[in-house]
Amino acid sequence: KAGVTQTPRYLIKTRGQQVTLSCSPISGHRSVSWYQQTPGQGLQFLFEYFSETQRNKGNFPGRFSGRQFSNSRSEMNVSTLELGDSALYLCASSEGTGTTGELFFGEGSRLTVL
Amino acid sequence: AQKITQTQPGMFVQEKEAVTLDCTYDTSDQSYGLFWYKQPSSGEMIFLIYQGSYDEQNATEGRYSLNFQKARKSANLVISASQLGDSAMYFCAMTYPPPGAGSYQLTFGKGTKLSVIP
Repeated sequence: KAGVTQTPRYLIKTRGQQVTLSCSPISGHRSVSWYQQTPGQGLQFLFEYFSETQRNKGNFPGRFSGRQFSNSRSEMNVSTLELGDSALYLCASSEGTGTTGELFFGEGSRLTVL
Repeated sequence: AQKITQTQPGMFVQEKEAVTLDCTYDTSDQSYGLFWYKQPSSGEMIFLIYQGSYDEQNATEGRYSLNFQKARKSANLVISASQLGDSAMYFCAMTYPPPGAGSYQLTFGKGTKLSVIP
C-alpha cells in the first residue's frame, strides 16, 4: 500500500509570490490534514479536510487555504508569501472515521521564502 | 486548551539499552488520544504508537511501548533495545476532538532529540 505522497519536496519562492502544495493520501483514506513545522513555533495544525469539506481549522491567517478533491487528494495554498512562511509543511492522512489512531504523515514539502 | 510537555530536549542512550522519553499532557477533556511520532533528519513523521484515553492496557508496537498513567497525565514512550537507526527527534502529540469523531487535530510537544551511541 503506497504511503502519503507530498509534492513538491523542496521549493524556493520569493516574498509576495504564492505557492501550492499537493498531498495524495493513502488509498481509502478520506481525511487529509496539514501541519506547519518551524524551528520557532514547532508543529502547528493548519486545517483538515474530509470528503471535500473543511472539518477543522487552526489559527492561521486567511492567506493559508486548502481544498480537497473527490479522489481525496488535497492541496494547500499560501498567497502573498512572507519570510516567516518558510517551513516544512506536512500532510497527514487517516480514514476519517473510527478510533484506530491511524494517522500517517508524508515526507513533507520544505518551503523556503527569500 | 491542550498542552503537551516534553521536558528532555536531548537524550543519549547506549545501543541495545532501553530508553524512556517523557511526555506529560494537560487537558480537561475526558476523551482524547495520544500519539508518538519519530522524525529523522529527512523530515518525515513516522507513526510509532497510539493510546486512547479509555484504553485500559498500555499500547505496544514492537520495540515501542507507551507507559500511560492517566491520573498523572503522563504518556511516556519506552524504546527497548535501542538501535543506531533510532537516532531522531521524537514527538508526543494529543488529539482533540475525541478520536471517536474520526477527526484528528494534533497538539504537539517540542520534541526530544534521541542520540544512540554505538
